[in-house]
Amino acid sequence: GQNIDQPTEMTATEGAIVQINCTYQTSGFNGLFWYQQHAGEAPTFLSYNVLDGLEEKGRFSSFLSRSKGYSYLLLKELQMKDSASYLCAVRRQAGTALIFGKGTTLSVSS
Amino acid sequence: EAGVAQSPRYKIIEKRQSVAFWCNPISGHATLYWYQQILGQGPKLLIQFQNNGVVDDSQLPKDRFSAERLKGVDSTLKIQPAKLEDSAVYLCASSLLGGQGIEQYFGPGTRLTVT
Repeated sequence: GQNIDQPTEMTATEGAIVQINCTYQTSGFNGLFWYQQHAGEAPTFLSYNVLDGLEEKGRFSSFLSRSKGYSYLLLKELQMKDSASYLCAVRRQAGTALIFGKGTTLSVSS
Repeated sequence: EAGVAQSPRYKIIEKRQSVAFWCNPISGHATLYWYQQILGQGPKLLIQFQNNGVVDDSQLPKDRFSAERLKGVDSTLKIQPAKLEDSAVYLCASSLLGGQGIEQYFGPGTRLTVT
């Protein structure tokens, strides 16, 4: 079967750095995605990794190790608006749907 | 560019009733997905269309759920009859055809409550 694991909840303070980990076991791999989902809203795309290494985009970075089945999302200079659920998802083949983890709820406090 | 549109945004029905959801994808997006997101979980694929053909419906409970995309644009998802466990947010997403697009764009979702 397909398995994607990430922590259920995390807390952090404004201005800090937080790392959300994701491990996956899937039959086939064609990319790992991170989405942000605020309560009651649709998921919005944050990042995509298909090759090993770090992808940086502003305050957000995402890392992938295909041999370890591991990814993390790094959020720097945390702001209150970063409080949301962060979804890790894997695409097994090009053009197919995403398989999502259960999401990590991040709470940022002042 | 307009995003993925869905309606209604909220629906409350009693068990055994039927309900239908509508989705209009981003213009030019050939691929359309319906996901079910139960509270506290990630979205789970119900069905994927490419133009008006079904690509993957392996997780669609076909005894009660049906979906169509007749002209390769809009899509409807129907539940008949509904069960309590169908209470969830139904998300529609779209993307460019096959390997041309990386990102899936999600609509705002329809929150269904079955009582």
